[in-house]
Amino acid sequence: DAKTTQPNSMESNEEEPVHLPCNHSTISGTDYIHWYRQLPSQGPEYVIHGLTSNVNNRMASLAIAEDRKSSTLILHRATLRDAAVYYCILRDVGKLIFGQGTELSVKP
Amino acid sequence: EPEVTQTPSHQVTQMGQEVILRCVPISNHLYFYWYRQILGQKVEFLVSFYNNEISEKSEIFDDQFSVERPDGSNFTLKIRSTKLEDSAMYFCAGSGTGSVLYGYTFGSGTRLTVV
Repeated sequence: DAKTTQPNSMESNEEEPVHLPCNHSTISGTDYIHWYRQLPSQGPEYVIHGLTSNVNNRMASLAIAEDRKSSTLILHRATLRDAAVYYCILRDVGKLIFGQGTELSVKP
Repeated sequence: EPEVTQTPSHQVTQMGQEVILRCVPISNHLYFYWYRQILGQKVEFLVSFYNNEISEKSEIFDDQFSVERPDGSNFTLKIRSTKLEDSAMYFCAGSGTGSVLYGYTFGSGTRLTVV
């Protein structure tokens, strides 16, 4: 699986948007970009995925660069419940491989 | 929303003992996985299971580990002779297809403590 690079940690204020970046310069044409998050003491939770076009769902938006070498997960209004580790994962076939992720803290 | 249920939530066992971790996947899922997370470390893949057999396993998943789906609903991970280094959170996950177009659903995990 191709490698992704994410900042170790980020901070946000409650009710403000959060942009979580991910670099994946070695992405192949068939890799999908998946995002998961892991709340404290919980299992990972699927957030969103995309291939080339930007994607929106009820949890978040995913903005994918035109060259696909980077992507950004956007939480439109952070809540305290969004404090978690966010993982950006490239998937072609087979299993999910988790990196270290970005630990997001949300301040009231 | 359907959930993956794992039991027990916490298990303490003595080194050398056998443990069985149990998972009830979502009923229409066909692909099943076990992952583990040692405290403070990454989530690591252990094994994937489809059509009643292992489809892929990691280097961690040695002869001490086994998985089965004994009754078509439960999915279990057995560790034959536990070691101190097996202490970790163990997560079961499932997906309806093996396609990358779908995400996995994870359970809340079993915390295994080997003493």
